[in-house]
Amino acid sequence: AQTVTQSQPEMSVQEAETVTLSCTYDTSENNYYLFWYKQPPSRQMILVIRQEAYKQQNATENRFSVNFQKAAKSFSLKISDSQLGDTAMYFCAFPYGNKLVFGAGTILRVKS
Amino acid sequence: SQTIHQWPATLVQPVGSPLSLECTVEGTSNPNLYWYRQAAGRGLQLLFYSVGIGQISSEVPQNLSASRPQDRQFILSSKKLLLSDSGFYLCAWSGVLNYGYTFGSGTRLTVV
Repeated sequence: AQTVTQSQPEMSVQEAETVTLSCTYDTSENNYYLFWYKQPPSRQMILVIRQEAYKQQNATENRFSVNFQKAAKSFSLKISDSQLGDTAMYFCAFPYGNKLVFGAGTILRVKS
Repeated sequence: SQTIHQWPATLVQPVGSPLSLECTVEGTSNPNLYWYRQAAGRGLQLLFYSVGIGQISSEVPQNLSASRPQDRQFILSSKKLLLSDSGFYLCAWSGVLNYGYTFGSGTRLTVV
């Protein structure tokens, strides 16, 4: 079975600084996609960024970027210039069959 | 464009009462549909998913059931609620899973 591991239950960062959330996964697939979702206090789940495994270039969406290390099966999320609105729970996810497998989540608190 | 509707947003129900949560998707056909439950500050637990009308896969034995009476409608039910059924319930849909899920806004269920 595929597994997704987020080893940081909680993190905090000062406003305007950079923070990296880690995620590792286990798969025997070669072509796949990886996702990061954000769940703010409203609890609405929002897709932050998506990475295609066969692309060597790391995905970037504004202040959000990933560091994808396929051989190490690592998929970390970097948030630059952190803002108070980035306070949320972040989940990485991986497709398995007809569903996504989610990590346990990392609670990120941005401090002013 | 595709949209997903989930209701109600909040529900307080007595122990032993029935439950019906509804989720509908617009703007697409034959979506994969999912029900998740989330405890406060915790991860996502997949309850049920469906790849077509009348096709339901149960992930975890529960006091809950799911049905898909129409292509874009997914219903979560219980005949008799337990205190342990309290939580935040999220519906989601996907087309090609390489694009991830789109989530509904969730239902906060409190069983008293």
